[in-house]
Amino acid sequence: EAGVTQFPSHSVIEKGQTVTLRCDPISGHDNLYWYRRVMGKEIKFLLHFVKESKQDESGMPNNRFLAERTGGTYSTLKVQPAELEDSGVYFCASSELLGQVPGEQFFGPGTRLTVL
Amino acid sequence: AQKITQTQPGMFVQEKEAVTLDCTYDTSDQSYGLFWYKQPSSGEMIFLIYQGSYDEQNATEGRYSLNFQKARKSANLVISASQLGDSAMYFCAMREGGNYGQNFVFGPGTRLSVLP
Repeated sequence: EAGVTQFPSHSVIEKGQTVTLRCDPISGHDNLYWYRRVMGKEIKFLLHFVKESKQDESGMPNNRFLAERTGGTYSTLKVQPAELEDSGVYFCASSELLGQVPGEQFFGPGTRLTVL
Repeated sequence: AQKITQTQPGMFVQEKEAVTLDCTYDTSDQSYGLFWYKQPSSGEMIFLIYQGSYDEQNATEGRYSLNFQKARKSANLVISASQLGDSAMYFCAMREGGNYGQNFVFGPGTRLSVLP
């Protein structure tokens, strides 16, 4: 079974540019989450989709961040325009509604974003 | 206030010895879940072990066990017979509430180094 995949693995952009991160969850997982780890700090929650609907977007830092989940499958996270403080590792995770381990989230390898 | 505290930024352990990684948490919910994830240098997040708040027995998974002390709100990870491959970052995470789809709150992590 394929795990959670993320693309790209690395992205280096200049301040003011736009970047779009993609996440493909495990097939059949209705829950999809985005998290971010800024250098030296905790992994912070950004938002949560249930199928194509945004369940909780309380962690989104500002309106420069836009997340979508087309048809309840893959998700994209767009940062526009990117700022220096957006640099970090962006993780995507997915989970089943009722899994073997209650609430276990399966994480992707992350996208390392560097804004210069 | 920090919801998840990991007081050990870094730990060293001799190969084949046991090591305990500390985690304390703060929640007013009666139902919650506690997770430990391992992040090796390659970057992926690997699920290790889960403890539900209503579980009466401490969770065990192979060489990993969770020392769950509910009254003290601690969920320490014990790794027995450390191996060189155990060198990694370890994150304690909590899912608050009985909704299994709820997002995680992470601690800052502990970097474990296993010495030969």
